[in-house]
Amino acid sequence: ETGVTQTPRHLVMGMTNKKSLKCEQHLGHNAMYWYKQSAKKPLELMFVYSLEERVENNSVPSRFSPECPNSSHLFLHLHTLQPEDSALYLCASSQDRASNTGELFFGEGSRLTVL
Amino acid sequence: AQRVTQPEKLLSVFKGAPVELKCNYSYSGSPELFWYVQYSRQRLQLLLRHISRESIKGFTADLNKGETSFHLKKPFAQEEDSAMYYCALMDSNYQLIWGAGTKLIIKP
Repeated sequence: ETGVTQTPRHLVMGMTNKKSLKCEQHLGHNAMYWYKQSAKKPLELMFVYSLEERVENNSVPSRFSPECPNSSHLFLHLHTLQPEDSALYLCASSQDRASNTGELFFGEGSRLTVL
Repeated sequence: AQRVTQPEKLLSVFKGAPVELKCNYSYSGSPELFWYVQYSRQRLQLLLRHISRESIKGFTADLNKGETSFHLKKPFAQEEDSAMYYCALMDSNYQLIWGAGTKLIIKP
């Protein structure tokens, strides 16, 4: 499969659960991103990885923990989330982080609901 | 502060009418601006970027530095243009700063 794939597409979890979101890209890109998309708000960049190294962490609470084992896979580990963390979590990739093409390739997102 | 503003949350026009989706930005440097689109049940994707000066699906966008705007225009809207449109600005760290989006509805 080509493009950026995210699993699961939907996730419901309690505040004490631990779960993970997975992202996979088959585009040969070197940079991967996690974004949070809440209703009627701009996309919020959470984490950026370039060549498997985290280069950006936009003041995200520690209950969100990213992992990038290789350039094709990105995880977002979730632990003791709050109801306000309910949102659509988008994964994206780009050829390189330091590039002025500005083109990101997005997955379809993981819809997270925290009860 | 760096910011992208899309003042309209919703824009509804009739098929065949002109469309203009507004985007204003606040940025101290030389801006790189983009429009992304998300059609129903599809993923977010790049529509066009100002440095390419291209027309995609009949849409164009001109950077106006004096008005700090990058409005997206199409002379004759089509029903398949209905989607969410996001304006984005690339900062000096190559991060995209996003607007909140405008939902465009094309009425038949």
